[in-house]
Amino acid sequence: QSALTQPASVSGSPGQSITISCTGTNSDIGGFSYVSWYQQHPGKAPKFIIYDVSNRPSGVSNRFSASKSGNTASLTISGLQAEDEADYYCSSYTSSNTLIFGGGTKLTVL
Amino acid sequence: EVQLVESGGGLVQPGGSLRLSCAASGFIFSSYEMNWVRQAPGKGLEWVSYISTSGSTIYYADSLKGRFTISRDNAKNSLYLQMNSLRVEDTAVYYCGRDVPTDYWGQGTLVTVSS
Repeated sequence: QSALTQPASVSGSPGQSITISCTGTNSDIGGFSYVSWYQQHPGKAPKFIIYDVSNRPSGVSNRFSASKSGNTASLTISGLQAEDEADYYCSSYTSSNTLIFGGGTKLTVL
Repeated sequence: EVQLVESGGGLVQPGGSLRLSCAASGFIFSSYEMNWVRQAPGKGLEWVSYISTSGSTIYYADSLKGRFTISRDNAKNSLYLQMNSLRVEDTAVYYCGRDVPTDYWGQGTLVTVSS
């Protein structure tokens, strides 16, 4: 099964908002409300920032929000800060009882 | 504090085997599903395998084609990944992760498959 489709890169200036899309199929994103998002800084392990499409784990900034429409999930980061510069990955449960990740999006804060 | 510490990575020749371990602490290990996820150098995350709390339900990524075996020992708070018939393309940092979706990750262990 191919990876979920994410843009390779996005950028924004401090204080702005950006949105990262994640497109799958009816067998993953479209079929379940089990989309999660991860933030990964260089050389570090991924950090869990969104689960079940739009829920934030305790301790994650409310500048991170997410949603889903059909086969596409989206992560929005508002009030961009320098420390938000990282790679972001979406993930979904699939109808094959597996997990699938997106290819990752590199966020650059200008 | 939740901690996951992977070990067992290293350099192995193509066709060789390696067993990764993940030592868990700071939570009731037997109550959580666990996963292995890998990341090739400069590439994205790739889910590898899942195991249920008791070990009775296991899933693998199709790409592994029966070469990897996940297991756990709840008495030892440990997760394992036995990797056989290793290929160059298995070179990656291997992370163990708690729960589905994965809320805590270890720091990863690097597996390099090269002659």
